[in-house]
Amino acid sequence: ILNVEQSPQSLHVQEGDSTNFTCSFPSSNFYALHWYRWETAKSPEALFVMTLNGDEKKKGRISATLNTKEGYSYLYIKGSQPEDSATYLCASTSGTYKYIFGTGTRLKVLA
Amino acid sequence: NAGVTQTPKFQVLKTGQSMTLQCAQDMNHNSMYWYRQDPGMGLRLIYYSASEGTTDKGEVPNGYNVSRLNKREFSLRLESAAPSQTSVYFCASEARVDSPLHFGNGTRLTVT
Repeated sequence: ILNVEQSPQSLHVQEGDSTNFTCSFPSSNFYALHWYRWETAKSPEALFVMTLNGDEKKKGRISATLNTKEGYSYLYIKGSQPEDSATYLCASTSGTYKYIFGTGTRLKVLA
Repeated sequence: NAGVTQTPKFQVLKTGQSMTLQCAQDMNHNSMYWYRQDPGMGLRLIYYSASEGTTDKGEVPNGYNVSRLNKREFSLRLESAAPSQTSVYFCASEARVDSPLHFGNGTRLTVT
């Protein structure tokens, strides 16, 4: 099973800062790349599903891009707020198994 | 509008005991999944069901069985629990292959 890797594992930013995370995934047999937001004691909630090379999606202050040829996706948060504090997961379809998840980037926004 | 409902929320078992985790979705989704989440490991797929009547093994199926009882329900059974099965279990469903997963609230299982 090929891995989906996310970086950094965790980061702390000040309120108002912009930040970004990386998701690396196998570029062969690619079908879709998902981003989820996961708050403590809750279940993951979908942010974006992207399928096409060059896809860009935006929801409020959060946006994501996709490069399927080189196997990476970026998630951007503009003007981080304390309520953005969560773990951000990406998942890619890869090989036989559905939705291989990365281990997540844990974001803490300091007020 | 319940979405994906998992029961129970918490469970403590002794080694060798059996139990079934229940999952039901009311969104008429075709595919359903069982994941386990362990520290530093991310979500790992145990079993999935692409449609009613079909089930397939995921990344970590050993020690588990599943039943897709109907389109709504997908249960996960531990026949003889082991401490290595201590984890948080999530059920999820999706409408089609390019749509997002909808997760239940999780079941925290401890095996002593």
